[in-house]
Amino acid sequence: AQSVTQLDSQVPVFEEAPVELRCNYSSSVSVYLFWYVQYPNQGLQLLLKYLSGSTLVKGINGFEAEFNKSQTSFHLRKPSVHISDTAEYFCAVSDFSGDQGAQKLVFGQGTRLTINP
Amino acid sequence: NAGVTQTPKFRVLKTGQSMTLLCAQDMNHEYMYWYRQDPGMGLRLIHYSVGEGTTAKGEVPDGYNVSRLKKQNFLLGLESAAPSQTSVYFCASATYRDYYSYNEQFFGPGTRLTVL
Repeated sequence: AQSVTQLDSQVPVFEEAPVELRCNYSSSVSVYLFWYVQYPNQGLQLLLKYLSGSTLVKGINGFEAEFNKSQTSFHLRKPSVHISDTAEYFCAVSDFSGDQGAQKLVFGQGTRLTINP
Repeated sequence: NAGVTQTPKFRVLKTGQSMTLLCAQDMNHEYMYWYRQDPGMGLRLIHYSVGEGTTAKGEVPDGYNVSRLKKQNFLLGLESAAPSQTSVYFCASATYRDYYSYNEQFFGPGTRLTVL
């Protein structure tokens, strides 16, 4: 069974500082990896995804993530954060072994990113 | 094109009451999913559907039933609500290309349910 662990439940940073949100996963098969963002009182928005190919993935709003197969990690980074990045971030994994191709997402616990001025 | 919509946005129930949450998508997607979101636990899959007339259990199906009578709608029912079902419920849908292709899930805005 797949599982996802987000190592930090809360991450406070100052505006314009760099940030890294950590994610580790476990799976016995090849997987797809995702980061979603949830702004206050809103639904989930896909930030970026790793399907195959280059291990460095760029997403929206200046975020990027690096897939590390040997360490089973998929950490999210941004070199300089803004107040508007305040949100909850979810790492997720899915495989393609699902029922008739239905790719079920398994989510981590979430990391609340707070940007302080 | 409204995407994925959920009705209602908020609901308060008393223990033992029943209700149905409606998810609708106008993207002609084959797959639909129901998740619940609880603090510190991320989102967990309740039930999903791979097409009209078919449903399957996810990670936390107990206490819920679902139906997919029309391709565009996916209903989540609580027959006898319990306080443990207080949560935010998200619906998602995805299209199907082929078995190994990535099928992005699009999420609705959520329904906040409180069971007293």
